[in-house]
Amino acid sequence: QKEVEQNSGPLSVPEGAIASLNCTYSDRGSQSFFWYRQYSGKSPELIMFIYSNGDKEDGRFTAQLNKASQYVSLLIRDSQPSDSATYLCAVKDNFNKFYFGSGTKLNVKP
Amino acid sequence: GAGVSQTPSNKVTEKGKYVELRCDPISGHTALYWYRQSLGQGPEFLIYFQGTGAADDSGLPNDRFFAVRPEGSVSTLKIQRTERGDSAVYLCASSFPWDRLYGYTFGSGTRLTVV
Repeated sequence: QKEVEQNSGPLSVPEGAIASLNCTYSDRGSQSFFWYRQYSGKSPELIMFIYSNGDKEDGRFTAQLNKASQYVSLLIRDSQPSDSATYLCAVKDNFNKFYFGSGTKLNVKP
Repeated sequence: GAGVSQTPSNKVTEKGKYVELRCDPISGHTALYWYRQSLGQGPEFLIYFQGTGAADDSGLPNDRFFAVRPEGSVSTLKIQRTERGDSAVYLCASSFPWDRLYGYTFGSGTRLTVV
């Protein structure tokens, strides 16, 4: 069984701070990793993907991957109240099927 | 259309009834996926179509669940003898089959409530 683990939170950060979201996965053969943002009552929205060890930056978002430790993280710099949502970590297998974590709820306080 | 379209957006049905949920993928996408998301959980894989055939239906929870995609475009997820535990948001996504490194876009989902 391929598992993706996330802390359910909520993670509370003040506006302007860095939010750090973490995820671990069980399948060492996994190749591609994704972060989705989900607002309450809405469907998940893709925000980042990464498949090489190291960091990948896109605006205020940075995804970090460490395959040796089977660990993926998402950093959100200069957090805004509009970033308040649930963040889902997902791992894709070789057959294009996603395994999702249960999500971390982020609250950014004005 | 511009995105994945799912209908209805909400469905309330009585326990024991039959329901059909429809997914209209992005034009040209041959791969189509159904996921189910229960409250407080991440989406859970149900079934994957490549063209008209189900390439992987290992996520269907039992034989009450069935999905078809007869012409390789629109897909219908069918649930027989619904149970209260079937209540969830059913999400559909589509992609080109070679998009192995990229995420796919979900539709807005169908919220199914079994009373």
